[in-house]
Amino acid sequence: DVKVTQSSRYLVKRTGEKVFLECVQDMDHENMFWYRQDPGLGLRLIYFSYDVKMKEKGDIPEGYSVSREKKERFSLILESASTNQTSMYLCASRAGGGVTEAFFGQGTRLTVV
Amino acid sequence: GQQVMQIPQYQHVQEGEDFTTYCNSSTTLSNIQWYKQRPGGHPVFLIQLVKSGEVKKQKRLTFQFGEAKKNSSLHITATQTTDVGTYFCAALNTGNQFYFGTGTSLTVIP
Repeated sequence: DVKVTQSSRYLVKRTGEKVFLECVQDMDHENMFWYRQDPGLGLRLIYFSYDVKMKEKGDIPEGYSVSREKKERFSLILESASTNQTSMYLCASRAGGGVTEAFFGQGTRLTVV
Repeated sequence: GQQVMQIPQYQHVQEGEDFTTYCNSSTTLSNIQWYKQRPGGHPVFLIQLVKSGEVKKQKRLTFQFGEAKKNSSLHITATQTTDVGTYFCAALNTGNQFYFGTGTSLTVIP
């Protein structure tokens, strides 16, 4: 079974802190994604990566950056956390080479106080 | 980003009633996928549709892709409490990005 693992289930950080959310997948997938989920807004794409060291902005990249140094790991970075970044963050991965299903991690509930 | 609208946002049904959620796009889609997210869980893939007018069934769930490939629907016959959750459609654009609909949250009243 494909496994996508996010480093934390719950996280509480202070305003202005630098926050790292880690995601690891074990199926050698080329594509990895970071979404945030807010009530009534569905899943909004923050960033995605289709290869090591490659990254593309999604719809809401402001205030975020990403890193993909290894194929299995995709990190989301909040450079200076703000209260409006309190949300559920979901990482997903998908194989390349055609239209394939996405596999999601269990999510990280981030609260910025 | 690509707009994928999903309606309704919320739906409450009595157990045994049917349920339908609709997904609409302003542009032609190459394919559409459906996911289910149980309360407290993460989205899980249900099915993918790629052909114009395609209809697929999974037990009590029926998925349709519109003839113009701009809309899709998920219909559940005789809902059960296990159907509770949020249902998302997702479309892949030419940039290889997944865009999700806003989701429909289904509550089933026993």
